[in-house]
Amino acid sequence: RKEVEQDPGPFNVPEGATVAFNCTYSNSASQSFFWYRQDCRKEPKLLMSVYSSGNEDGRFTAQLNRASQYISLLIRDSKLSDSATYLCVVGRGGGADGLTFGKGTHLIIQP
Amino acid sequence: DGGITQSPKYLFRKEGQNVTLSCEQNLNHDAMYWYRQDPGQGLRLIYYSQIVNDFQKGDIAEGYSVSREKKESFPLTVTSAQKNPTAFYLCASSPLSNQPQHFGDGTRLSIL
Repeated sequence: RKEVEQDPGPFNVPEGATVAFNCTYSNSASQSFFWYRQDCRKEPKLLMSVYSSGNEDGRFTAQLNRASQYISLLIRDSKLSDSATYLCVVGRGGGADGLTFGKGTHLIIQP
Repeated sequence: DGGITQSPKYLFRKEGQNVTLSCEQNLNHDAMYWYRQDPGQGLRLIYYSQIVNDFQKGDIAEGYSVSREKKESFPLTVTSAQKNPTAFYLCASSPLSNQPQHFGDGTRLSIL
């Protein structure tokens, strides 16, 4: 099983729609979880941290399911500017340092 | 403004040449990281450092070297031993390991 696995997409979604994608991780010792956004040929930027109780930031909602070891990101009322690659990121945990990045899910919002 | 500065933005390497990528941060972060990203691929960790004068190999350290003589600076040298160096190189920092990392805007390295 890959450490952090995401559906690469692309997800083609009409503007205004709701879109959700998941990510699974293999390390049960991981304690920190994040979603990053990466635009084409740019650096990744932190979108939001993911907490056990779930959290929301405007149109974005993140959920964590520790039992099943997956993380989800929901985007409501999608905008053209949401088009990007979304990276699922998991702390290495278990005394190891740093983060493990998924390869990303490519999202295209269509007018 | 606080941030991470990488330079140069574009770099070309000749066969057999070593090149050094600069990374400077003024965020007062203890941890710094170097990643490599190939087209359509995820980020792969090259080296990381949690404290001055200490660093550890990541998943793909062969053909690379680093130093951490100052808290603010974590330069990466791509040596001639790295046979496939063409990639997008990203430097990141975080207050502590396992906390969110903040990235510089990257250096694109190509072979001449």
